Amino acid sequence: EPEVTQTPSHQVTQMGQEVILRCVPISNHLYFYWYRQILGQKVEFLVSFYNNEISEKSEIFDDQFSVERPDGSNFTLKIRSTKLEDSAMYFCAISGTNNEQFFGPGTRLTVL
Amino acid sequence: AQSVTQLDSHVSVSEGTPVLLRCNYSSSYSPSLFWYVQHPNKGLQLLLKYTSAATLVKGINGFEAEFKKSETSFHLTKPSAHMSDAAEYFCVFFDRGSTLGRLYFGRGTQLTVWP
Repeated sequence: EPEVTQTPSHQVTQMGQEVILRCVPISNHLYFYWYRQILGQKVEFLVSFYNNEISEKSEIFDDQFSVERPDGSNFTLKIRSTKLEDSAMYFCAISGTNNEQFFGPGTRLTVL
Repeated sequence: AQSVTQLDSHVSVSEGTPVLLRCNYSSSYSPSLFWYVQHPNKGLQLLLKYTSAATLVKGINGFEAEFKKSETSFHLTKPSAHMSDAAEYFCVFFDRGSTLGRLYFGRGTQLTVWP
């Protein structure tokens, strides 16, 4: 099973601040995904990213969100001006060979 | 619309008894379906996958699931529960219609295993 790491494991920030969440696949991948899970709710798709471009994004992924692959290995999710409702677990995922996806351990974002 | 519905938010069983976690799907396409498990404060681990090969799919830790097209179901089972099975389980649908295949998660079923 492909391995994905995420940093930080927990991020606490003040409302209105920018945060950057990082995802590092152990091996080389072209397809990346971000999901989030608000406490007590279902896991929701945010965005998919292929070959350095956004492939698909959900209605949640508004202008305050952005993704990039700054150095060819790290894959980042940036939230420009955090809101209280952005508090959630954020999961990065990479694709497998049979449409499955392999998830990182997640970053818990707490917005105060 | 494509979706999955997990019929139980909580399931409690005694150790050594069978586990049944129910999932129904709705799809215009032949679906790919998965079960993921999430232990407390951990990430999402792939338990098993159905990708239109065998309808009975075996996964890790003794779990299996059967794809039943006539019932639009993909229930997860295990003959004998273990304390370490206590976790949240997600039935997940792969959307073949989207560009890169976003996953749709069910709401999850919290499995409690009593000693």
